[in-house]
Amino acid sequence: SQKIEQNSEALNIQEGKTATLTCNYTNYSPAYLQWYRQDPGRGPVFLLLIRENEKEKRKERLKVTFDTTLKQSLFHITASQPADSATYLCALGVQTGANNLFFGTGTRLTVIP
Amino acid sequence: DTEVTQTPKHLVMGMTNKKSLKCEQHMGHRAMYWYKQKAKKPPELMFVYSYEKLSINESVPSRFSPECPNSSLLNLHLHALQPEDSALYLCASSQGGALYNEQFFGPGTRLTVL
Repeated sequence: SQKIEQNSEALNIQEGKTATLTCNYTNYSPAYLQWYRQDPGRGPVFLLLIRENEKEKRKERLKVTFDTTLKQSLFHITASQPADSATYLCALGVQTGANNLFFGTGTRLTVIP
Repeated sequence: DTEVTQTPKHLVMGMTNKKSLKCEQHMGHRAMYWYKQKAKKPPELMFVYSYEKLSINESVPSRFSPECPNSSLLNLHLHALQPEDSALYLCASSQGGALYNEQFFGPGTRLTVL
């Protein structure tokens, strides 16, 4: 069966440290992978996109890697801040004629001051 | 304007009611989506409109009926819902015709079915 799993439901980290979130998938052949942030009661907000032929992408304090052999993406937040506390969702983009996203289970990150 | 708006923010309805959710974007996007999100779960794709045509229907029950009157508007008509349909309903849009595009999400409508 198809699955998109994020390593842990919740992750607590000390302010200033690097947070690393994992997204693993099975029985998908994604053309790309996206990461979103979602705050309680709000819609997801796009953070980064990485294509299947890319290994790494960076944006300010964010870094994402994509390993299609391991079927895994890692999402890093460096110098984490309490304002980074949110749920982070990975989403696989599958080329089926439309721009379809399939979301992972999400990781709720809490950055402790 | 890089915003997707949704109305209403909250909706409470009985199982015999008929109601509609509305979504609007003015970014010139040609793909629009409805997602359903239950508490502490990821969004689940319900419908996709591409260039105002329904291209995906992920086996959603017929008590949910989407409508795309024009390229900026998306509606979701609700009829004879069940309590298990209570959820956050999210609308999103993206540039149509290209694969590698981010989706812009609205704030959602919190639906409660009594």
